[in-house]
Amino acid sequence: DQQVKQNSPSLSVQEGRISILNCDYTNSMFDYFLWYKKYPAEGPTFLISISSIKDKNEDGRFTVFLNKSAKHLSLHIVPSQPGDSAVYFCAASGTNNTGKLIFGQGTTLQVKP
Amino acid sequence: NAGVMQNPRHLVRRRGQEARLRCSPMKGHSHVYWYRQLPEEGLKFMVYLQKENIIDESGMPKERFSAEFPKEGPSILRIQQVVRGDSAAYFCASSLFRPPYEQYFGPGTRLTVT
Repeated sequence: DQQVKQNSPSLSVQEGRISILNCDYTNSMFDYFLWYKKYPAEGPTFLISISSIKDKNEDGRFTVFLNKSAKHLSLHIVPSQPGDSAVYFCAASGTNNTGKLIFGQGTTLQVKP
Repeated sequence: NAGVMQNPRHLVRRRGQEARLRCSPMKGHSHVYWYRQLPEEGLKFMVYLQKENIIDESGMPKERFSAEFPKEGPSILRIQQVVRGDSAAYFCASSLFRPPYEQYFGPGTRLTVT
C-alpha cells in the first residue's frame, strides 16, 4: 500500500525554467510534509518542509504548495539550474509523532543547460 | 558543524555473518532514525531511537535486526546472520527536536551480502 506517491518517474526541463514536482498522498492523518534531494551514492538532503496548517512555504528558489483537500503537494524550483539535477523525494509524517517518514518513490529531475 | 556520520560507507559480508552499521548524529541531536533503501525502491523507515530508548521499531524485521543508541557513542544497527536480501543502502538520520521535525541524513552504508 503506497501511501505517498510520485507518479512521474522523471522530469526534464531547460535551465532557467520552472521545475514542478508532484506528490500525492492517501492518508489524511499526515500533517507534515518534506522534500528531499538525493544524488547517487549520497544520503538525501533536506530541502523544504510544510506543516498541514499552511498551504505554501517558500525558501529561496524552492516553494512547496500543499492542497489538503486534494491530498496533493508540489515542489516548484525557479529558476532551475543544472546542479538541481537529482532524484527528488517527497515524504510525509503522521500525527502520532512516531518519527516515521513515509517516502514516495522519487522523481528524477534533469535540468538541461 | 559536522553532519550525520555513518561508517563504514561500504560493507561486504558473506551469508551468515554479522553486520554492524554505525551512526553518529549531528551535534546536539538526540533523535536518531534508520531507513533502508532496497535496489530500485524508495526509502523505508526501520526504527526511531532516542538516547537509550527505542521509540518506534515498527519497520524493523522481526528477526535478526536490532538497533541501539547508548548514552555514550554512536547508534548501532546490527544485522545477524545476513542473507542476500539484506543487501541495500542503510541510511541514518537525526533531528534536533522530537517529531515532526526535519530529519538530516547521513551518506549511508551500502551493504553487500555475497
